Amino acid sequence: GQQLNQSPQSMFIQEGEDVSMNCTSSSIFNTWLWYKQEPGEGPVLLIALYKAGELTSNGRLTAQFGITRKDSFLNISASIPSDVGIYFCAGQTDSWGKFQFGAGTQVVVTP
Amino acid sequence: DAGITQSPRHKVTETGTPVTLRCHQTENHRYMYWYRQDPGHGLRLIHYSYGVKDTDKGEVSDGYSVSRSKTEDFLLTLESATSSQTSVYFCAISEWGGDGDEQYFGPGTRLTVT
Repeated sequence: GQQLNQSPQSMFIQEGEDVSMNCTSSSIFNTWLWYKQEPGEGPVLLIALYKAGELTSNGRLTAQFGITRKDSFLNISASIPSDVGIYFCAGQTDSWGKFQFGAGTQVVVTP
Repeated sequence: DAGITQSPRHKVTETGTPVTLRCHQTENHRYMYWYRQDPGHGLRLIHYSYGVKDTDKGEVSDGYSVSRSKTEDFLLTLESATSSQTSVYFCAISEWGGDGDEQYFGPGTRLTVT
C-alpha cells in the first residue's frame, strides 16, 4: 500500500497567498519528484530532487529534499488562479526502482 | 513531453468482457509502467516493464496482465473486467534526468465497467 503521507489533503487559498505542502515517509528515499495534475490530464513533472538538503526552484515553485531523506516540501509563492490542481509527491528508494506516490494535495485558488 | 500516447482515451465496457489498453512511446525508453488512479488512493502501480518481454507485478496486479513485444508498446489487459476496475489508467516511462530517475506520464485512459 501507499507509504507516503502527503499533507494537507486540500487547501483553499486566496490569490497572492503562499502555499506549502509536504510528504513524509518511514523509508529513506534517494529521489523525490513533485507533480501537478489538472482535471482530465496526466500528472506533469514539476521538480526533481536527488540530494538530501537540495533546494530547487521552478518559477514560483520551490521544493526541498529533507535532510533526513524521509521527507520533502513544496512551496508555491504568490499563487495565481492557474495554480489550481492536485499536487503529488513521489519517492524512490533505488535507482531504476519503483516510485511510491502520495495521495495528493488539492489546491483551490480564489480570486 | 515524453512522447507518450494512450489509447483509447475513454472506454465503457460491460462486466466480464476483455479490455486492452495501449501505451505507445516514441523515445525508446526502457522502463514503462501502468498505474491506476482512484480517489483516496493516489497512483498505484499495476505492472511495469524493464525491457521487451520483461515485465513484473506491482502492488495491484490481480486481474491484470501486460505484454511488451516491442520497445514502444506496453499493453495492459483486463481479462474479464469487473466494476472494481473502473478507474483512470496512466502509463508512464522512466528517463534518466542526469542525476536520477524522472517519471513521465501519458494522458490517461478513463475506463468505466458497467
